Amino acid sequence: DTAVSQTPKYLVTQMGNDKSIKCEQNLGHDTMYWYKQDSKKFLKIMFSYNNKELIINETVPNRFSPKSPDKAHLNLHINSLELGDSAVYFCASSHTTGGYYNEQFFGPGTRLTVL
Amino acid sequence: ELKVEQNPLFLSMQEGKNYTIYCNYSTTSDRLYWYRQDPGKSLESLFVLLSNGAVKQEGRLMASLDTKARLSTLHITAAVHDLSATYFCAVDIRGRGSTLGRLYFGRGTQLTVWP
Repeated sequence: DTAVSQTPKYLVTQMGNDKSIKCEQNLGHDTMYWYKQDSKKFLKIMFSYNNKELIINETVPNRFSPKSPDKAHLNLHINSLELGDSAVYFCASSHTTGGYYNEQFFGPGTRLTVL
Repeated sequence: ELKVEQNPLFLSMQEGKNYTIYCNYSTTSDRLYWYRQDPGKSLESLFVLLSNGAVKQEGRLMASLDTKARLSTLHITAAVHDLSATYFCAVDIRGRGSTLGRLYFGRGTQLTVWP
């Protein structure tokens, strides 16, 4: 029933580890996003995929690698985790083509804590 | 560089009072969105404003958009405790010749309503 879902909800890990976050949307949207929200609640876009094609790739360390196996899924893999990666990561989706506007629907977030 | 400025960033108000949150942005756009975020939760879409002069109302909240002034407002009428949350505006910017946009978020206004 959930429109945009993410797993896991919480992720606690040691520095240097590699971890993945998964996102799925069942809204039939064509575009998906990853955002990072820092401790001051600032939301910054990281990546965006439209129909499985990468269209936004912000200045993000290349330790972060998104993958979109199909339009409904967008995963985020992070290598060699650092303390500064601790944040809440939100997945979002929207329908942007065919005259639709870009109202984005957000997942519940994944709180990543790097120790 | 695009700027989206919200003010105030922190707002503490008594129940029953009225107040307005402002969102200024620095480049041309005719699409703006307001989101609400409760502590530890995801972002919930509140209003979609798609043209100059657009006004939307839901309960005690009313949002408007003036694209010429590059300004959106979120007006709170007779505040109640349940409105306590962080409110974000997001400006939709499309690249030249592209139908695909991206959202630039303000830093959020943390609203606390007390009895």
